[in-house]
Amino acid sequence: SQTIHQWPATLVQPVGSPLSLECTVEGTSNPNLYWYRQAAGRGLQLLFYSVGIGQISSEVPQNLSASRPQDRQFILSSKKLLLSDSGFYLCACDIQGEGAEAFFGQGTRLTVV
Amino acid sequence: LAKTTQPISMDSYEGQEVNITCSHNNIATNDYITWYQQFPSQGPRFIIQGYKTKVTNEVASLFIPADRKSSTLSLPRVSLSDTAVYYCLVGRDNYGQNFVFGPGTRLSVLP
Repeated sequence: SQTIHQWPATLVQPVGSPLSLECTVEGTSNPNLYWYRQAAGRGLQLLFYSVGIGQISSEVPQNLSASRPQDRQFILSSKKLLLSDSGFYLCACDIQGEGAEAFFGQGTRLTVV
Repeated sequence: LAKTTQPISMDSYEGQEVNITCSHNNIATNDYITWYQQFPSQGPRFIIQGYKTKVTNEVASLFIPADRKSSTLSLPRVSLSDTAVYYCLVGRDNYGQNFVFGPGTRLSVLP
């Protein structure tokens, strides 16, 4: 079965610093990949999704970008963090053509100070 | 994706059956209905999925009426560990499906 690895689990970064969060998937190939952000006590906001290498779609205009350099690697980045970028970031995947179940990583809690 | 509407929060007591209803008036013919559970500081996890009538697994039951414009997640005999946020998603199970989560229902199970 597929496993999603996200790191780090927690991160504290100053305003204006860069960000790079990495997500890797094991146990499947050619997955759809997603980045979500969740503010404290709120629902999940879909940020980016990718259906293949180099193919990124953005759901919300923001200070963040995403890249998929390899089939099972999804990276979330920022050149300059804002206070509003704080939140819980989750990577997820689903198996193309095999059903509507999404699998989530354990998340990264980012605090911008 | 069909928009969904759920209660923001619900309270229950241990041992009771909990039913959470989700409205999805614009559900499409190909759409499946999927429920997820999320504990604090964790990613959501799949609970159950259905297309019509009733689906049951070891965790929950999902009731879907004939018109499919709503669905009800039923949790039998909840325990304190069932305190979580429950999300209803409606969408196709085909290539390129996006998972758009609403605010969910925050279930609090009290002793």
